[in-house]
Amino acid sequence: TQLLEQSPQFLSIQEGENLTVYCNSSSVFSSLQWYRQEPGEGPVLLVTVVTGGEVKKLKRLTFQFGDARKDSSLHITAAQPGDTGLYLCAGEGTGGFKTIFGAGTRLFVKA
Amino acid sequence: ETGVTQSPTHLIKTRGQQVTLRCSSQSGHNTVSWYQQALGQGPQFIFQYYREEENGRGNFPPRFSGLQFPNYSSELNVNALELDDSALYLCASSPRGGDTGELFFGEGSRLTVL
Repeated sequence: TQLLEQSPQFLSIQEGENLTVYCNSSSVFSSLQWYRQEPGEGPVLLVTVVTGGEVKKLKRLTFQFGDARKDSSLHITAAQPGDTGLYLCAGEGTGGFKTIFGAGTRLFVKA
Repeated sequence: ETGVTQSPTHLIKTRGQQVTLRCSSQSGHNTVSWYQQALGQGPQFIFQYYREEENGRGNFPPRFSGLQFPNYSSELNVNALELDDSALYLCASSPRGGDTGELFFGEGSRLTVL
């Protein structure tokens, strides 16, 4: 069974700090997606990484796909309270499963 | 462009009852996936519909069933509700059979089973 493990599960930091969250698997994925979910809402797609070693930037967010396409990281520079939310990584499963999700990293940025 | 809409947004049922949740896909999207998200967890894949046929199913019992209509909207039906079915049910649409892995979610239907 394919699994996506995210760490840390919870992160509480001060505004202006940097942070990195991780998404790891023992399986190879053709692509991975990162989503952000705010309370009471559905997840919103942030980015898709496809090529091993790929780095994508979205303003203060930097996403990297591991060379072996088994892991990914999300780095946030100078976090702001608006970054607060649940960050989910996702990838295409096998055996009839479609997109599967990790359990998420819950980020709280204090002003 | 209209996004994914779900109804109802909140509902309360008792054990043993049945529930139907509805989803309208984003314009131009022919694939709908349903997910269950328990409190503090990531979304768990229930099943996916593509062109009105089930196109993949997760580890959920048969009392979870679905439909997709010619206009690509979809329903999720859950029979014989159990307390553990309390969760946020998310619908997501995607284009081209969903193979890109990129999903566009609605805001969800929060089900409470008492």
